[in-house]
Amino acid sequence: SYELTQPPSVSVSPGQTASITCSGDKLGDKYACWYQQKPGQSPVLVIYQDSKRPSGIPERFSGSNSGNTATLTISGTQAMDEADYYCQAWDSSTVPFGTGTKVTVL
Amino acid sequence: EVQLVQSGAEVKKPGESLRISCKGSGYSFTSYWISWVRQMPGKGLEWMGRIDPSDSYTNYSPSFQGHVTISADKSISTAYLQWSSLKASDTAMYYCAIWRPPTVEFDPWGQGTLVTVSS
Repeated sequence: SYELTQPPSVSVSPGQTASITCSGDKLGDKYACWYQQKPGQSPVLVIYQDSKRPSGIPERFSGSNSGNTATLTISGTQAMDEADYYCQAWDSSTVPFGTGTKVTVL
Repeated sequence: EVQLVQSGAEVKKPGESLRISCKGSGYSFTSYWISWVRQMPGKGLEWMGRIDPSDSYTNYSPSFQGHVTISADKSISTAYLQWSSLKASDTAMYYCAIWRPPTVEFDPWGQGTLVTVSS
């Protein structure tokens, strides 16, 4: 089965940049997307097709995907960005999610 | 507004059966697939499977094949996830979400249904 690996946690100071990686075999050959999940809430799509932002998602969220790694970047991180983040792709009729990263804004 | 509304929380005993629902509104229900995703307490997201409501074609993650059944009734714009015999390990939050092929992302998601299985 296809696996996507993320760091368990990332800490960032308010106003600084947080980068979350998602690693998978030849992930750059596939489209990746990212979800934000706050406690007690459903996941929300923040990046799709590697780098596109859905309507309503702030410009501080950006994404890239190359080689074996997709990256979600949050620029000028705000306290409201504290949440769990999951990457996701599509491989051979199955849908792997990343292991998840807890972003803490210190 | 495209929206998915799921049925309410359930408390069941091991061995009991259960069907939870996911009702779509604000779009043509047969235009997009519905996926189901499990989230066990304190854990990550796991894709269970999906259905094409236009013809009820399904495919399942190998991890869930044979353990659950996904179905849909397009006449009432509703998808279902069902178990014939629940286990304590089925305790989790279950989400449905819209999948617009050939894209890979799920958007939007339902509010989730909490299933608790306990004797």
